[in-house]
Amino acid sequence: EPEVTQTPSHQVTQMGQEVILRCVPISNHLYFYWYRQILGQKVEFLVSFYNNEISEKSEIFDDQFSVERPDGSNFTLKIRSTKLEDSAMYFCASSGGVTRSETQYFGPGTRLLVL
Amino acid sequence: SQKIEQNSEALNIQEGKTATLTCNYTNYSPAYLQWYRQDPGRGPVFLLLIRENEKEKRKERLKVTFDTTLKQSLFHITASQPADSATYLCALLSAGNTGKLIFGQGTTLQVKP
Repeated sequence: EPEVTQTPSHQVTQMGQEVILRCVPISNHLYFYWYRQILGQKVEFLVSFYNNEISEKSEIFDDQFSVERPDGSNFTLKIRSTKLEDSAMYFCASSGGVTRSETQYFGPGTRLLVL
Repeated sequence: SQKIEQNSEALNIQEGKTATLTCNYTNYSPAYLQWYRQDPGRGPVFLLLIRENEKEKRKERLKVTFDTTLKQSLFHITASQPADSATYLCALLSAGNTGKLIFGQGTTLQVKP
């Protein structure tokens, strides 16, 4: 069964450093998302992406964050200058095939720790 | 403001019984409501989706109901097994079509043998 994959599974970085989290969505999906989950808290929406454009972004997704689909398979989340409060689990998700589908399939996550 | 509430306390039941989890929402008119399972340190796994014009949906031992008047969804697991122990997340999808899912905080289910 096709699945969303994410790399790395864990990332430790120093405050102020840039990180890039990578995702490979399900191959025929057209809609891509990033969510995050701070330890012990809810899963929170960050951004949705379709047709090489951001469809919607949350208040969390400020100028330090960016997303990109650099090729036909990868979808990346970049945090330019990490802060301690960016420490969280980051999940990529994808949905949709030829027609819009409401079901989002999540990857296993990248655990980001900012020191 | 929009709010989604799930049973905050863990639910402990005996194997073989039916587990019932609740999701209530306010100030929101979702087009779809979804239930996910999340194991510790893992990503949410999709279980069931129910649309606003559907009252009930079933999949194997799982059943979801959706009452848009009460603004509530119930999630049932019948003949529960220890392997069903996990956190179950309720998520709402707006009709705005950007795909933004809004999650509840989840209910942890523990099924004892």
